[in-house]
Amino acid sequence: NAGVTQTPKFQVLKTGQSMTLQCAQDMNHNSMYWYRQDPGMGLRLIYYSASEGTTDKGEVPNGYNVSRLNKREFSLRLESAAPSQTSVYFCASSLQGGQPQHFGDGTRLSIL
Amino acid sequence: AQRVTQPEKLLSVFKGAPVELKCNYSYSGSPELFWYVQYSRQRLQLLLRHISRESIKGFTADLNKGETSFHLKKPFAQEEDSAMYYCALSSSGGSYIPTFGRGTSLIVHP
Repeated sequence: NAGVTQTPKFQVLKTGQSMTLQCAQDMNHNSMYWYRQDPGMGLRLIYYSASEGTTDKGEVPNGYNVSRLNKREFSLRLESAAPSQTSVYFCASSLQGGQPQHFGDGTRLSIL
Repeated sequence: AQRVTQPEKLLSVFKGAPVELKCNYSYSGSPELFWYVQYSRQRLQLLLRHISRESIKGFTADLNKGETSFHLKKPFAQEEDSAMYYCALSSSGGSYIPTFGRGTSLIVHP
């Protein structure tokens, strides 16, 4: 039982490149989340999906888009990467809204 | 606007000493408070939530609505408690944005 799986684990991009971070959960959870973690800033919510077919902006959505492809998968896309988006990205899920219950291992993204 | 404040970036104690990780919040509605922990090289995980009134790994946290606080306590720290701890806030109903504090790094020395 993998829980929340994120791919890739590491990625280096050049400014202006695009990329999609993948996330999948196998716990039949309804809600999924994308966070970024920066030193001294804690975790900040980028987007979340309360249930399949819905997505909502979080605290820092600018520069990102998301797709809730199905109940299992929730992807995060950077259309034109910027150095300010260098961060560690975490996907998370919960059975029914509220705070996330399970997190992935994270994706360490560097943008040059 | 809701906010979670963890005033200490770093807390350093010796093994066997009591530990208190502070968390204060501001929220106009009915809050739900949580503590998360991230051990070195491990995933972030939910430690405890105030509605459960549980003790996990010897840690407890009491919601004090008067002081708007949800401090995490343990009477005798262990070396394996060394980790990053995050306090988080959600609402008990309606639309919300789950909010995390900036985290406190706990180091327990032998």
